[in-house]
Amino acid sequence: GNSVTQMEGPVTLSEEAFLTINCTYTATGYPSLFWYVQYPGEGLQLLLKATKADDKGSNKGFEATYRKETTSFHLEKGSVQVSDSAVYFCALINTGNQFYFGTGTSLTVIP
Amino acid sequence: DSGVTQTPKHLITATGQRVTLRCSPRSGDLSVYWYQQSLDQGLQFLIQYYNGEERAKGNILERFSAQQFPDLHSELNLSSLELGDSALYFCASSVGLVKNIQYFGAGTRLSVL
Repeated sequence: GNSVTQMEGPVTLSEEAFLTINCTYTATGYPSLFWYVQYPGEGLQLLLKATKADDKGSNKGFEATYRKETTSFHLEKGSVQVSDSAVYFCALINTGNQFYFGTGTSLTVIP
Repeated sequence: DSGVTQTPKHLITATGQRVTLRCSPRSGDLSVYWYQQSLDQGLQFLIQYYNGEERAKGNILERFSAQQFPDLHSELNLSSLELGDSALYFCASSVGLVKNIQYFGAGTRLSVL
């Protein structure tokens, strides 16, 4: 089957700290992988994506690399800001065009 | 602003009732997706429509149904509501059918009392 597993939160970091949010997936075929971010009171926004193995998605200082050998798509940022406080969702879309989301990881960045 | 519009923003109703949630996709997008987000289940894909036709189905209950109209807006109908149906319901849209980036609306918060 298809599924996405991401590290449980909440995660609390100080400003300028290094961020890693782990995400692993199970999928048939060749899925595309995504990170979405949800700010309080808003819908999900696409943060970055990767469509094939070894692709690196990047946006706003966040990066994630599609690792087929480890079925992972970990999200990283070198120096977080208070404005990065949000819930982050890892997701995949399979060849059947079905979207699967992880449970979300809440990040709070304190000054 | 994603360009996806959902109404209403909040809905409060009683058990056993029926409600309709509405979604207008981004201009030019043909696909519409519905999701349910609850505290215990996370974000669950419910159903997808493409240009008026149902194309993918997820964990959608039989009490729930959806449709997409010729002007491409979509409605999600929830009937015989139960307390456990209280959740945020998101609509998303994308240009095409397969592996397209989805743009999400701000959601409709449904409270069943």
